[in-house]
Amino acid sequence: AQKVTQAQTEISVVEKEDVTLDCVYETRDTTYYLFWYKQPPSGELVFLIRRNSFDEQNEISGRYSWNFQKSTSSFNFTITASQVVDSAVYFCALSEDSQGGSEKLVFGKGTKLTVNP
Amino acid sequence: EADIYQTPRYLVIGTGKKITLECSQTMGHDKMYWYQQDPGMELHLIHYSYGVNSTEKGDLSSESTVSRIRTEHFPLTLESARPSHTSQYLCASSEWSLSSYEQYFGPGTRLTVT
Repeated sequence: AQKVTQAQTEISVVEKEDVTLDCVYETRDTTYYLFWYKQPPSGELVFLIRRNSFDEQNEISGRYSWNFQKSTSSFNFTITASQVVDSAVYFCALSEDSQGGSEKLVFGKGTKLTVNP
Repeated sequence: EADIYQTPRYLVIGTGKKITLECSQTMGHDKMYWYQQDPGMELHLIHYSYGVNSTEKGDLSSESTVSRIRTEHFPLTLESARPSHTSQYLCASSEWSLSSYEQYFGPGTRLTVT
């Protein structure tokens, strides 16, 4: 069975601090996809990144970076120089490969990030 | 830019009423999904569809039902609402290609059953 664990329920930081959100996953599939979504107070889920299991390159997008390590089954997300607008709930998710197309998502419980001015 | 819509955004309704939550997407995606989100934030898949006339139950058992008569439309129905159905319901659609994949989410319907 697939499982995603986000051990940090809530994190509170002061603006400009760096923060890392942890994500550990379990799957028996050799091909799978990992995702991060952001859910601001408005409630909509915003897609941030997808990574497939064959691509272990780390990725940086502006202040966001992601560290994928298959050896530890982790896909951590770091926000550099955090801002108040980063305050949201962040979800890590996993999807198995089905005929080459990702299907149902299994979500972690989410980490609520609060960035204080 | 995702074009997936949900109505209503907020609904407060009494126990025993029948309700339908609407979800539409204009992207022509074959795959659509309904997720239920607890007040404590956790998201669970309750229904999904791979195309017209295809519906499947998700990982979390739900008393709701869905239909998929048109590609763009995936409504969710509760025949008799109960307080335990109070939750946020998120609809999504997806498309996969070799170069990209996303699952687009609608804004959600926050349902309160009194």
